[in-house]
Amino acid sequence: DQQVKQNSPSLSVQEGRISILNCDYTNSMFDYFLWYKKYPAEGPTFLISISSIKDKNEDGRFTVFLNKSAKHLSLHIVPSQPGDSAVYFCAASLNNNDMRFGAGTRLTVKP
Amino acid sequence: DTAVSQTPKYLVTQMGNDKSIKCEQNLGHDTMYWYKQDSKKFLKIMFSYNNKELIINETVPNRFSPKSPDKAHLNLHINSLELGDSAVYFCASSQAGARSYGYTFGSGTRLTVV
Repeated sequence: DQQVKQNSPSLSVQEGRISILNCDYTNSMFDYFLWYKKYPAEGPTFLISISSIKDKNEDGRFTVFLNKSAKHLSLHIVPSQPGDSAVYFCAASLNNNDMRFGAGTRLTVKP
Repeated sequence: DTAVSQTPKYLVTQMGNDKSIKCEQNLGHDTMYWYKQDSKKFLKIMFSYNNKELIINETVPNRFSPKSPDKAHLNLHINSLELGDSAVYFCASSQAGARSYGYTFGSGTRLTVV
């Protein structure tokens, strides 16, 4: 019962262009959404979050968009940099102690 | 001064053995978690502990048991290891307001059962 889905296992973009990572969820009770970034041999690190009462949150080059009616969120990275190459996990939370993750999307930013 | 540390980083063991993975956090967080990343790369929650009380147990076999001697530690004990237990196990911690700031993860323990 995978409630958080990232249907693209990988994405490749050119340096300087926009990266768009997508995430879908099935449980309408999720009320907080997060993105994590993971480098090889490291644990995921928190990147950005958004409450369900908002439709956009921005932090520097990173922007998360939430479409509740479509149960869809996306992470935009602009401009993309080679150091952004990592696996990005989408996560959704029902409460502070229950966070569900997608399978991740591997982003490769080519110089 | 690692925030969440797990040991060992790699663990290779035979079927049927009993093993433990240790986790410690120095962030003063009040909740700790264990996640399993399987071959399909999904991160699935196994347990969470808040003030020494287990508050989530996601259909994990009872061969797995979390042990929390204090708020800063949450160890994972696994009995009678099976081939299907091979995975990367991540420990994490959080404080109230985790939904804003996310969890802090350790670097993972890669368990291989042969």
